[in-house]
Amino acid sequence: QQQVKQSPQSLIVQKGGISIINCAYENTAFDYFPWYQQFPGKGPALLIAIRPDVSEKKEGRFTISFNKSAKQFSLHIMDSQPGDSATYFCAASMDSGYQKVTFGTGTKLQVIP
Amino acid sequence: DVKVTQSSRYLVKRTGEKVFLECVQDMDHENMFWYRQDPGLGLRLIYFSYDVKMKEKGDIPEGYSVSREKKERFSLILESASTNQTSMYLCASSLHGGGRPQFFGPGTRLTVL
Repeated sequence: QQQVKQSPQSLIVQKGGISIINCAYENTAFDYFPWYQQFPGKGPALLIAIRPDVSEKKEGRFTISFNKSAKQFSLHIMDSQPGDSATYFCAASMDSGYQKVTFGTGTKLQVIP
Repeated sequence: DVKVTQSSRYLVKRTGEKVFLECVQDMDHENMFWYRQDPGLGLRLIYFSYDVKMKEKGDIPEGYSVSREKKERFSLILESASTNQTSMYLCASSLHGGGRPQFFGPGTRLTVL
């Protein structure tokens, strides 16, 4: 059972454009939503995370938007750069105790000059 | 900088062999994790450990075991390797945050022939 659905599977964006990756979850008990960035040949790295008490969180060019009623959240990369080319994973977990993280299937982003 | 290191980047083993994957973190983190990453499936948790000698099963523990004798070291053991265990294995650690990985190692690409 896939509890976090991520789309698209791959994405090509022109330099300077906006990259948008979408995720949907099923478990309403989830209350922590991190995003991870993975460059080729490297392990993932925690990029940004949001809790459902806010609808948006911004860090530099990266913004998470959260829609609790729709059980959806998305990552927007503004002014996308070739250096942003990586695989992005959304994830979800409960924020208490030792609750494991459920990952989406990943989006491979390519930013072309 | 936190460093999570894995003993091998690439490993080739035969069906039925016992395989050891080693992971070391250098920041005194409480929590350590083993994931496997497969195309189209994202990251799936095999085991995690929140303290020395403590372990919890993840989503796909079958065919694997783990050992954490020292805080900095977390080993994944494939008791009898099978071809369906060919995958990328990622170790991760976190200081706090329950079951949420924070820093990942570079991964071990295991091929079982």
